[in-house]
Amino acid sequence: QVQLQESGPGLVKPSQTLSLTCTVSGGSISSGSYHWSWIRQAAGKGPEWIGRIYTTGSTNYNPSLKSRVTISVDTSKNQFSLNLTSVTAADTAVYYCARNARIMGPTIVVSAFDFWGQGTTVTVSS
Amino acid sequence: DIQMTQSPSSLSASVGDRVTITCRASQSIGNYLNWYQQKPGKAPKLLIYAASSFQSGVPSRFSGSGSGTDFTLTISSLQPEDFATYYCQQSYNTLALTFGGGTKVEIQ
Repeated sequence: QVQLQESGPGLVKPSQTLSLTCTVSGGSISSGSYHWSWIRQAAGKGPEWIGRIYTTGSTNYNPSLKSRVTISVDTSKNQFSLNLTSVTAADTAVYYCARNARIMGPTIVVSAFDFWGQGTTVTVSS
Repeated sequence: DIQMTQSPSSLSASVGDRVTITCRASQSIGNYLNWYQQKPGKAPKLLIYAASSFQSGVPSRFSGSGSGTDFTLTISSLQPEDFATYYCQQSYNTLALTFGGGTKVEIQ
């Protein structure tokens, strides 16, 4: 069973960079055709996809955050990481890492988040 | 981006009730629609993918239907453990994955 665990500072000052790491256990981050995603959820809101990385290093980012986001992977440590620059109070949220799998439906293959970390709360405040 | 709109935003129901939640996409997404359940303080859990296929271990009282722009999640007989918030998510545009705003199912 794959498990994901987020780690990083719970408090970040405005204008600084938010940095989080996700450690994957129970399987190699390089095995299978999976993307590895970051998702955040502000209080009382729906989840917001931030971006994802494939083990080759190929990335996709949410267009609304693209200018501030970098996602990287370290296959030797079975980890992937998020950097979000120039943060403001609007970036305060619970941040999740998740496995983004391609799942075969009756007639199509869909992309879905099948394993999630427990989430880590990040507050942006001075 | 494809906008996902859920209704209602919340509902009150009793154990044993049949509950229906609706999700509408801002453009046609075929069957590229997933449903998640989230309990307080926990991460979302995948329930249904491709609009109507069950993730492993999901009880058969849950069902999903729809295609194009309009989708439905139905709980045929609400159980105490089903009180939670439900989210839809489109995977038609994999470069901009988006979720709905959620439907909170509360105890009446």
